[in-house]
Parts: sequence; structure tokens; C-alpha cells
Amino acid sequence: GNSVTQMEGPVTLSEEAFLTINCTYTATGYPSLFWYVQYPGEGLQLLLKATKADDKGSNKGFEATYRKETTSFHLEKGSVQVSDSAVYFCALSDRGATNKLIFGTGTLLAVQP
Amino acid sequence: DARVTQTPRHKVTEMGQEVTMRCQPILGHNTVFWYRQTMMQGLELLAYFRNRAPLDDSGMPKDRFSAEMPDATLATLKIQPSEPRDSAVYFCASGLVLGGFHNEQFFGPGTRLTVL
Repeated sequence: GNSVTQMEGPVTLSEEAFLTINCTYTATGYPSLFWYVQYPGEGLQLLLKATKADDKGSNKGFEATYRKETTSFHLEKGSVQVSDSAVYFCALSDRGATNKLIFGTGTLLAVQP
Repeated sequence: DARVTQTPRHKVTEMGQEVTMRCQPILGHNTVFWYRQTMMQGLELLAYFRNRAPLDDSGMPKDRFSAEMPDATLATLKIQPSEPRDSAVYFCASGLVLGGFHNEQFFGPGTRLTVL
């Protein structure tokens, strides 16, 4: 079945460091891919998405490219800020009538000043 | 600014009591999801609805949990009787599926449930 694997955290970085959070997926067909972010005490929010191979999603300085050949959707940011500290979830949406999302386990990012 | 709302935001109850959590999805969305989040299990899908019909509730303990959509503006998740292991944050999310195109899900702020 469909699944998402993302790197375990916590990831601890200093402010202005480069961020990569790895995400790989297993799916039949051509899923849509998403990154969600959850700030402390809040629900998940969509950060970015890509709906087909080679698409690049971007938002708030974060980027991720849909790589079909490596089944990956790694999240990157060139210079992190303390305010980026949160839990990041990679997810895929199976093609079908349900719009069901399959989430990875989440990666906690802690950015220190 | 359309958003999913959930009530209550926090609930503390004693074991054996009934708990009802409510969700108002974004107007016009045709899918609704209930998730449970704990430190140990992470994010689990409990149930989802399309056009108010339950499509899958296989993630939900059937003996004590029930989910309904009495109308398009209200989704409910009930636990009866509640147990300490039900302590978690429960999220509702809504989304729109049109012709197989997958838009994102919009999450509510969650209900933090503590069962003593």
C-alpha cells in the first residue's frame, strides 16, 4: 500500500543554517505530495504541495521538488529562523474519490538563536 | 477567512463519561476527516466522510467511538464510555474533491481531551 517515510527528528539547527528534511514515498499511480507544518498548540497547516512529477512547491522560503525517479519530496530552506521551529509532516494523497492523506511520522525542527 | 472550527478546545473528563467533540467544516467542502494525535502513535486517521456519507471508519474503535454528520455544517465525534487511553488531541479537517483533483485538507485547531 501507499506509505510515506520521513527522517526522524529532532533536527536542531542554528539560525540561518540550511535545512533539509528527507521524505520518500511508496505509491501506486501518481499521487499528489504535500508538506504540512504544525506549530506548538496548533493544528496542521499546508506549507506547500506538488501535484505532478518535477513540480516544485514553494512557500515562505521553503521548497520541495516532486522527484518521481527517486520517489522523494525533500523539504529545504536556505536560511532557517527561530520562528520555523515546528513539526513538519510529509504526506501523499492517493488518487481516488476520497482525498485521503497518508502522513509520515513528522519531524521536529528546533532552531536556536 | 474561511477556517475549520472545533469545540471544545479543551475537555477534561472522568473515565466512563461520554465525550462529544464538534467540528464545523469550511463551507462548500465535501470531505471531512477526524484524526487523533498522540506522542506515542503520532497522527492517526479515525474516520472520513464524503458528502456526509461515511466512507471509512476502520481506524476507529467501534465499541466506544462513533462519528456522524447530521448536516453539512456539523460533524461530531463521540466517545462513550471514555477511557484514559483516549487522552489525545483530536483534529477535524475538511477538503474539496472535484473530479479526482486533490486539493489540500484544512485542519481545525483541535480538541485536547484528557480522561482521568
